[in-house]
Amino acid sequence: GAGVSQSPRYKVTKRGQDVALRCDPISGHVSLYWYRQALGQGPEFLTYFNYEAQQDKSGLPNDRFSAERPEGSISTLTIQRTEQRDSAMYRCASSPFLAGLYNEQFFGPGTRLTVL
Amino acid sequence: GESVGLHLPTLSVQEGDNSIINCAYSNSASDYFIWYKQESGKGPQFIIDIRSNMDKRQGQRVTVLLNKTVKHLSLQIAATQPGDSAVYFCAERTGANNLFFGTGTRLTVIP
Repeated sequence: GAGVSQSPRYKVTKRGQDVALRCDPISGHVSLYWYRQALGQGPEFLTYFNYEAQQDKSGLPNDRFSAERPEGSISTLTIQRTEQRDSAMYRCASSPFLAGLYNEQFFGPGTRLTVL
Repeated sequence: GESVGLHLPTLSVQEGDNSIINCAYSNSASDYFIWYKQESGKGPQFIIDIRSNMDKRQGQRVTVLLNKTVKHLSLQIAATQPGDSAVYFCAERTGANNLFFGTGTRLTVIP
């Protein structure tokens, strides 16, 4: 079946603009995770959802970052007033299990964000 | 495509040999560990996991060993194949339900 998809795959924006990154998890997956991955590094946790409830947002760098998953399926990560340091690969992952049980996560291809 | 891991620790092995990739984790309270494989331009792919109440777990051609005394995790790949070439990350869960990933090791399989 279809895996996790993310859109757009590439986003170039100017400093100060807002961006919205979308994640379509695997159908039926109950938990959804957002990560940021810098070149040469492992993914860095940002936030996660069980169904539509945001359980942990401790990894969000600051209040310019927010995420939602209003219907427990598609999720959007929004970055307001982007800065150059926000440039990174943003990855979404989903799992058929509630976070806290098994944690096998299926990752999407990522959105490469470049802030000029 | 994306280039992952320009300055990662590297391991080169001959095709058919066994590979061992090591990982030191940081938190003695971590209760769950996962190995991921990441090929260039793709997202991390789950390989195998292990809970802290185990010291060994085997999958297809892969074995994960956990030594809690020294906070060390290893991934053994038997009969390494060219398709195993990738960056390998270990990840630990520390009680909160999120994963912390290590830096990664680039495995190159020489045909």
